[in-house]
Amino acid sequence: NAGVTQTPKFRVLKTGQSMTLLCAQDMNHEYMYWYRQDPGMGLRLIHYSVGEGTTAKGEVPDGYNVSRLKKQNFLLGLESAAPSQTSVYFCASSWAGANSYEQYFGPGTRLTVT
Amino acid sequence: AQKITQTQPGMFVQEKEAVTLDCTYDTSDPSYGLFWYKQPSSGEMIFLIYQGSYDQQNATEGRYSLNFQKARKSANLVISASQLGDSAMYFCAMRERGGTASKLTFGTGTRLQVTL
Repeated sequence: NAGVTQTPKFRVLKTGQSMTLLCAQDMNHEYMYWYRQDPGMGLRLIHYSVGEGTTAKGEVPDGYNVSRLKKQNFLLGLESAAPSQTSVYFCASSWAGANSYEQYFGPGTRLTVT
Repeated sequence: AQKITQTQPGMFVQEKEAVTLDCTYDTSDPSYGLFWYKQPSSGEMIFLIYQGSYDQQNATEGRYSLNFQKARKSANLVISASQLGDSAMYFCAMRERGGTASKLTFGTGTRLQVTL
């Protein structure tokens, strides 16, 4: 069981470039999430998905798009990167339903936009 | 309004001593869950402990316990017998029932340093 994996681990982009972050989970979880972590601000939810083919906005969705074409994968896209998107990005997944279900996190992707 | 507040940016504790990391929360939802995660310097997020709003007893997991005071809206993490490996960032998070997914709201974290 690999759990939650993220690709790539590191990336440097120039302003205006685009990229896609891939998240994959092998736990058959219904829910998946994308967070960003900035210094001193904790983790903030970007987008989330409650099932294959569905996505929804979180707290800080601007400048990002997501897709969940397969249950096990959740993609985060940056169409035109900006320096303000320099951050560490975490993907997470969880079971649907009860409040007690914890979220399992991937190792993170460190993105720098110059 | 901030939903999760962690007022201690940094804490020091001596090895083998106990330490309490503070967390207060704000919600009008009667059904919610509180989580603590550990983030070591390697960066991964590690789940430590969970407390449900209707749970009668405080949660415990090994050396971790949660001091849940519902009326005060606080959910402090207590680490007993601190070890050097406990040095890390610690995040409190809340999950509310409302909405279509169980989204977590995180606090800003507390950096714990365990000393000899």
